[in-house]
Amino acid sequence: QVRLQQWGAGLLKSSETLTLTCAVYGGSFTNPNYYWSWIRRTPGRGLEWIGEVTHRGSGKYNPSLASRVTISADTSKNQFSLRFDSMTVADTSVYYCARGRLTTIALVNYYYFYFDVWGKGTTVTVSS
Amino acid sequence: SSELTQAPAVSVALGQRVMISCQGDTLRVSYATWYRDRPGQAPLIVLFGKNQRPSGIPDRFSGSYSGNTASLTITGAQAEDEGDYYCSSRDSGAGHLVFGGGTKLSVL
Repeated sequence: QVRLQQWGAGLLKSSETLTLTCAVYGGSFTNPNYYWSWIRRTPGRGLEWIGEVTHRGSGKYNPSLASRVTISADTSKNQFSLRFDSMTVADTSVYYCARGRLTTIALVNYYYFYFDVWGKGTTVTVSS
Repeated sequence: SSELTQAPAVSVALGQRVMISCQGDTLRVSYATWYRDRPGQAPLIVLFGKNQRPSGIPDRFSGSYSGNTASLTITGAQAEDEGDYYCSSRDSGAGHLVFGGGTKLSVL
């Protein structure tokens, strides 16, 4: 059974950099159908996708956050990491790592994407 | 546009039927995924694909589609169904993932 274990600093000051790491246990890290992702839950704003990385290191980011975010993968350790620069009070959130899966239904030219495994979450508080 | 729009809140009497909707252009080419979110817990998938429930999700949860709108229906709502429900979809062009704004479900 796949498990994601995440860790990183939970208390930052404004302008500092957040670094979180997520380790994948019990499953394949290199399956090409998996997208290793970071999501956050912010009070008053709900769930927000931060971005993703494949095992090959190909990343996609939320356009509103892309200038401050880097997500990287380390296949030798079955880990992926989030680097979030210039943190502000508005970035105070619970941050989750998750495994994303993309399924394409060629017959009807439809697809769907879902996060089926989640880490426990890291509460990150940014003070001014 | 890759935005997904949800009503902020909805309430339902215990045992009754409730529908939560999600509207967005990406839903014309992709199925939505629905998550239930509660404080202190990671979000939980309740529905994905055209109408698939993960193991452990009761069959009172179902999904439907019309045009650019996806709907999650709970038939016979229970107290444990309370929470914030989010739809999500992936943009077919840039491949960005989008969440709706969430709908807070109250079971009265």
